[in-house]
Amino acid sequence: GAVVSQHPSWVICKSGTSVKIECRSLDFQATTMFWYRQFPKQSLMLMATSNEGSKATYEQGVEKDKFLINHASLTLSTLTVTSAHPEDSSFYICSVPSRAAETQYFGPGTRLLVL
Amino acid sequence: GEDVEQSLFLSVREGDSSVINCTYTDSSSTYLYWYKQEPGAGLQLLTYIFSNMDMKQDQRLTVLLNKKDKHLSLRIADTQTGDSAIYFCAERSNDYKLSFGAGTTVTVRA
Repeated sequence: GAVVSQHPSWVICKSGTSVKIECRSLDFQATTMFWYRQFPKQSLMLMATSNEGSKATYEQGVEKDKFLINHASLTLSTLTVTSAHPEDSSFYICSVPSRAAETQYFGPGTRLLVL
Repeated sequence: GEDVEQSLFLSVREGDSSVINCTYTDSSSTYLYWYKQEPGAGLQLLTYIFSNMDMKQDQRLTVLLNKKDKHLSLRIADTQTGDSAIYFCAERSNDYKLSFGAGTTVTVRA
């Protein structure tokens, strides 16, 4: 399977600051990547689809001005949580579709704690 | 929207078989998946099945799909302590997005 990396693996920040999370596809180029959020003991919820060369598409209820997504290259997508607040504390996971798009490979996740 | 449901907990004795069940509502699902998540980690793809298949076997894992009833199951043979984790069922819609169930926490006891 494909290797997907995320950086950082965990981050603690003060309320009001912005945090950038990187997702990299190490095995192949990806024109599309997905960003998910997982609260403790809950399932994964899709936040947005990152598209190389065009704007990200956000799921209903996800604020695009708060969660900025930039698909910088065919192997890198970044998620920036702007003006983070304690309620943004969560586990953020990205995924990359396989070449034939029959499945998705997930990154190891980034745990964000906002104090 | 899509809705995926699965039981929350399963306790099984080491060496026995585990069966995790899942139901979904989107009849247009093309692929269905089982992912495993260990504490603090990301998701590991265990197996997936195309919607025109009834069964798929991969070593200790057997996936059964009843498309008529929209029911998916994962059987783990000879369950080991390393199988303790949360297992997520997911379906893929036509726009390639995945919808996940709430996850089943499997606890393997000696």
